[in-house]
This record gives sequence, structure tokens and C-alpha cells, in this order.
Amino acid sequence: QVQLVESGGGVVQPGRSLRLSCAASGFTFSTYAMHWVRQAPGKGLEWVAVISYDGSNKFYADSVKDRFTISRDNSGHTVYLQMNSLRPEDSAVYYCTRASFPVTDEMSWFDPWGQGTLVTVSS
Amino acid sequence: AIRMTQSPSSLSASTGDRITITCRASQDISSYLAWYQQKPGKAPNLLIYAASTLQAGVPSRFNGSGSGTDFTLTINCLQSEDFATYYCQQYYSYPTFGQGTKVEIK
Repeated sequence: QVQLVESGGGVVQPGRSLRLSCAASGFTFSTYAMHWVRQAPGKGLEWVAVISYDGSNKFYADSVKDRFTISRDNSGHTVYLQMNSLRPEDSAVYYCTRASFPVTDEMSWFDPWGQGTLVTVSS
Repeated sequence: AIRMTQSPSSLSASTGDRITITCRASQDISSYLAWYQQKPGKAPNLLIYAASTLQAGVPSRFNGSGSGTDFTLTINCLQSEDFATYYCQQYYSYPTFGQGTKVEIK
């Protein structure tokens, strides 16, 4: 079945970096755009970034632009989120999720979602 | 960015009730709207996409409607497993979510 498994979360000091990974299985990974969505403790959902199926296009929320970088390894079926210059307000559960249709850059609904990985930015 | 506004922020209901959650977009998004259910400590779960299309496996008591700027999620005959937080999401442009509606037991 389709599965997404995030890893790499943890506690990090402000200003430091962290890289999240999301391992995908059960579908043709190289044909789907992939997204990161985050949820601060007790708060709502916030879209973070998207990478096209072939990695040629990447877009970010204004809140993370120039600090976060999304990338993918289609041969390894993994998407990454490199987070630099972390701030306390970046503390959240980070979810990896998939676009709905293959081979398109059109935005869509999200399904499925990974279980999430918790990032805590604190001194 | 397109702003999504849900109401109410929370509601109390009993099993068997019919409830309605509304979601308003700050501009016309046609039918590019999805609804999710989220339970504590879990990832969101897709319920409805394209404003009114039920995701496979989702019970038929869930119903979505609307287009343009105004949308509703209706849950008929509320079940115990439906007590959760619900989010709308537009995908007309870069995705944005409503702030959520928490459905609690009365």
C-alpha cells in the first residue's frame, strides 16, 4: 500500500539546521509531486513546500522561503526538507504528503500523509 | 495568498446529530476544495475533494457542497468516531488551510 515515513526530527537550537527525510513506497514515486505540511503544537495546518515530480520546480511558503530547501531522490524514493536558520516558530510536526495526480505541477488535495516528525526549536 | 475562514471554530454535538461546518475563501476558487479529518496525535485524513467528491472508503454520512467562495461540510447522524477536528484546504493556488473546526461531544 502507499506509505510515507518521515524521519529526522528532534530538538535543535535556534539558528541551527536540520534535515528531514520522507521515504515513500507503494507507488511510482518519480511521477508524483511531493509536499511538506507542518502543524505547530495545538495549531492548524500550514503548507510549507512542494517539489515537482522530476525535481525541476520547487515552491515555498513565504514563512520559510530562503531558509528551507526541498529536494528529492527519485532513485531512492525519498524527499527531503533541509531547514536552515531555524526559529522557535518553526517548531511543529512536519508531515510529508503526496499530490493527487501523477506527472503534473497542478496543485491538488493531499493523500496520503505520513505520520509526521516533530521538530522543536529551543535553546 | 488565498485566505480560508472556517466557522465555527468549535462546536458541541451529540451522536446522531447533523452538523454543518462552513469554509469561506477570500476569492473564487471554483471547486478546488478539500476537507480533512484529524484526530489527536494523528495525521489528517482526506474526506472530500473537488468540493463534493467523497474519498474512497469515507462513509456516506459525510457530504461536501459549494463552489466559488462558500463551501460546507455536513456530517449526518454523527458517530462517536467523528469527534475530531476538521480542516478545509484550497488548491486553486498554493495550498492554504482553514483554521480548523473542533467537533466535541456535548
